[in-house]
Amino acid sequence: IAGITQAPTSQILAAGRRMTLRCTQDMRHNAMYWYRQDLGLGLRLIHYSNTAGTTGKGEVPDGYSVSRANTDDFPLTLASAVPSQTSVYFCASSESGGSNEQFFGPGTRLTVL
Amino acid sequence: AQSVTQPDIHITVSEGASLELRCNYSYGATPYLFWYVQSPGQGLQLLLKYFSGDTLVQGIKGFEAEFKRSQSSFNLRKPSVHWSDAAEYFCAVGANSGYALNFGKGTSLLVTP
Repeated sequence: IAGITQAPTSQILAAGRRMTLRCTQDMRHNAMYWYRQDLGLGLRLIHYSNTAGTTGKGEVPDGYSVSRANTDDFPLTLASAVPSQTSVYFCASSESGGSNEQFFGPGTRLTVL
Repeated sequence: AQSVTQPDIHITVSEGASLELRCNYSYGATPYLFWYVQSPGQGLQLLLKYFSGDTLVQGIKGFEAEFKRSQSSFNLRKPSVHWSDAAEYFCAVGANSGYALNFGKGTSLLVTP
């Protein structure tokens, strides 16, 4: 099935723990993104990758890191989770170019206690 | 930086009534503009997009939007709303961070019988 998968679907995490959110796409898109969605704030870009091997910082990158070892996978890591990172996280992908549609995964709901 | 504003946080319409959701953008040149819809607990789905050309664009589910450069607006419309249209709607503009998007904070649509 073509699209984007994210794992886990939801997670409750103790503050200070390390967590990696997984994202995989099978559309061979060059560009991938991580957003967080918070009530009243819409979606905010955390990190992005225009192509495998490159990454960039978005609007709210602090406390998060990403890697892009290949085209399909774009994991997001929280090195030491804090309660303010409680959010819904969406991974997205697109073909290269700002005019292209972004396809979104189903999201990961993360709660940091 | 490119940005979008959605002035209405919540909108309530009766089923069968017409709908207009407002979106204003800030951008120096001709922007890439998008409308996405998010049903509860789901990811985001593209409704329509504007890149250039005809300023009235048609999307899925009977939605349309009109790009008005003079008003810096990209309002979403539907002639007759169905109960299944109840959802969160996001306007977005192409961002400077790679090919990512800047999202508005969203408009929550409630449809009453």
